[in-house]
Amino acid sequence: GENVEQHPSTLSVQEGDSAVIKCTYSDSASNYFPWYKQELGKGPQLIIDIRSNVGEKKDQRIAVTLNKTAKHFSLHITETQPEDSAVYFCAATDNTNAGKSTFGDGTTLTVKP
Amino acid sequence: KAGVTQTPRYLIKTRGQQVTLSCSPISGHRSVSWYQQTPGQGLQFLFEYFSETQRNKGNFPGRFSGRQFSNSRSEMNVSTLELGDSALYLCASSPGGWGEETQYFGPGTRLLVL
Repeated sequence: GENVEQHPSTLSVQEGDSAVIKCTYSDSASNYFPWYKQELGKGPQLIIDIRSNVGEKKDQRIAVTLNKTAKHFSLHITETQPEDSAVYFCAATDNTNAGKSTFGDGTTLTVKP
Repeated sequence: KAGVTQTPRYLIKTRGQQVTLSCSPISGHRSVSWYQQTPGQGLQFLFEYFSETQRNKGNFPGRFSGRQFSNSRSEMNVSTLELGDSALYLCASSPGGWGEETQYFGPGTRLLVL
């Protein structure tokens, strides 16, 4: 089955700096890669996603890049703010098994004011 | 549109009991997936239902079961509870069709087994 590894497990940055979280996946059949932000006491919230036919996607301060050959994808957050502090999860999905995502172990991001 | 709702939000049970959790998906979504979240194991897939049929299943014992109703609402049941079943149970809904994999999560039900 699919295996997703996520690094780092914790990340601390100064407000205004950039943060990068990286994930690798094992199953070449995976073709959909969402990123979620989870705040304390809440469910994961989708922040950005990318499909395998696209190499990069950007939404304001957030961007995701995908390297299908190397089987890795990354989340980039620029101009970080204290409200970006949360746990971030990457996931991989094979659309022939839609509804079944494999998640990374999460990255706890702390943005210091 | 209203988001995914889950009831109850918190639950305390004792070992050996059974529990039923409920999930109402976003209106129009036909797929409901269930995940277990624990500090040690992270987010693990339990099962997914689409149009009242189980379409995918994770690697959990048969004590974990689910169903989906004609209005797409879903329930999951855990029988003979064990201490290790203490977790946050999350459901996620999506339209479920080809190319419609984007999942939206509910707030979860936190289950504590004593």
